[in-house]
Formats: sequence, structure tokens, C-alpha cells
Amino acid sequence: ETGVTQTPRHLVMGMTNKKSLKCEQHLGHNAMYWYKQSAKKPLELMFVYNFKEQTENNSVPSRFSPECPNSSHLFLHLHTLQPEDSALYLCASSQLIPGPGAYNEQFFGPGTRLTVL
Amino acid sequence: EDQVTQSPEALRLQEGESSSLNCSYTVSGLRGLFWYRQDPGKGPEFLFTLYSAGEEKEKERLKATLTKKESFLHITAPKPEDSATYLCAVQAEETSGSRLTFGEGTQLTVNP
Repeated sequence: ETGVTQTPRHLVMGMTNKKSLKCEQHLGHNAMYWYKQSAKKPLELMFVYNFKEQTENNSVPSRFSPECPNSSHLFLHLHTLQPEDSALYLCASSQLIPGPGAYNEQFFGPGTRLTVL
Repeated sequence: EDQVTQSPEALRLQEGESSSLNCSYTVSGLRGLFWYRQDPGKGPEFLFTLYSAGEEKEKERLKATLTKKESFLHITAPKPEDSATYLCAVQAEETSGSRLTFGEGTQLTVNP
């Protein structure tokens, strides 16, 4: 495997289901991200993990619960979702270098297309 | 608040017809501007990073340029395989090093 992988690629779930999205990065990066992409809207940053520590939670509802057991793996646990949560969920990774002048080139996985019925 | 506006929203070209996509940004000090390509049903693919005004980067038929207010992605003699959505994102100096702000993208279609 190379780059950033995500599973499953497609997921259909009911509003009462519990499911999880998985992301794995094979780039040796130290930061991982979850984004939501809806039609006709810019990518929305949801969560950021830096060295396994959550550094950003962009006012995401508690029905989305992230988990980062190590710097290569990232999960997004889903429960009691709403139909408006249907979207493409993208995982990304980057190598964050501390200090001024550090650039954040993020590399994305293929995404999970989520449909909530 | 950082803002990124891309235009046009959609662009249809004939094969070989060169054109440019625009990315206008408002940011409190630019650390980097990024271009991505996204094919339907796939994640964004990294293309370029531009760091300072006047900088240019090239890759095959694509050339990205940067000024203090905007960036252009020039497409020379495009082919149908260049059809995709092109995304622009900025990283600001004063926000946390991890945050990128994305535009809505330009959907490019190149007809044979």
C-alpha cells in the first residue's frame, strides 16, 4: 500500500446505526486530518491530529468521534447520524515541522462516500 | 477570517484551447498556497505549492503563478484527461500550522 488509504469506499447507514471509517497513511507523516466534502461547498476541516494528539476540533457535532491510536492510523466513529451528514469524508496526512516557515502540504486518501438514510 | 474564492465555477474548453483558472485569497500573511486536482469520486491530488509572490511552478501542461492577492493556474493546450475539479487552498502565517482554507473549486471539462 502507498499513500493514504481509506476504508470503506462506500457506506450506507441508517440514522440509528453505528459505523466507523478507517484511514491509514504510509507516508511517515506526523499529522492526520478528517475533512467533509459536500456538493458545491469547500472542504470542511473536521479534526486534526498531530503526533496522535487532537489539536483541532472544528465545532463538529458529537455524533462524530475521532480516534488516533498512532501516527499512521485514524478512525472516525459515527453514531446517530442525520441525512445532512451524507457527504464524501476525506482523510489527509502531512509532515508538520515546528516553527515559522513550515509548509503544510497535505496528501489525501480516496475518501469514503457516506449516505445516511 | 481567511477566504479563498475560485473562478470560474465551471469552465468548458475544446482540446488545445488554452485558458486560466483564478484563485483569489484574503489571508493575514500567506505562508503557502496549494493547488490540487480532484477527479470525480476521488480525493484531491496535490499539484503545487507556491510560497511567495512572483513564484511560478510547472507540471506538464499546467503552470501556477502567484501574486499578493491571487494565483492563476494556466492550462496550455489541454487534453480531455485534464478534465477535473481544481482546488486552491491557503495556509496563513498566523493560524495553526495545520489549517488550510480551501476554495470551492473550478470544474474543468475539456472536450475532444
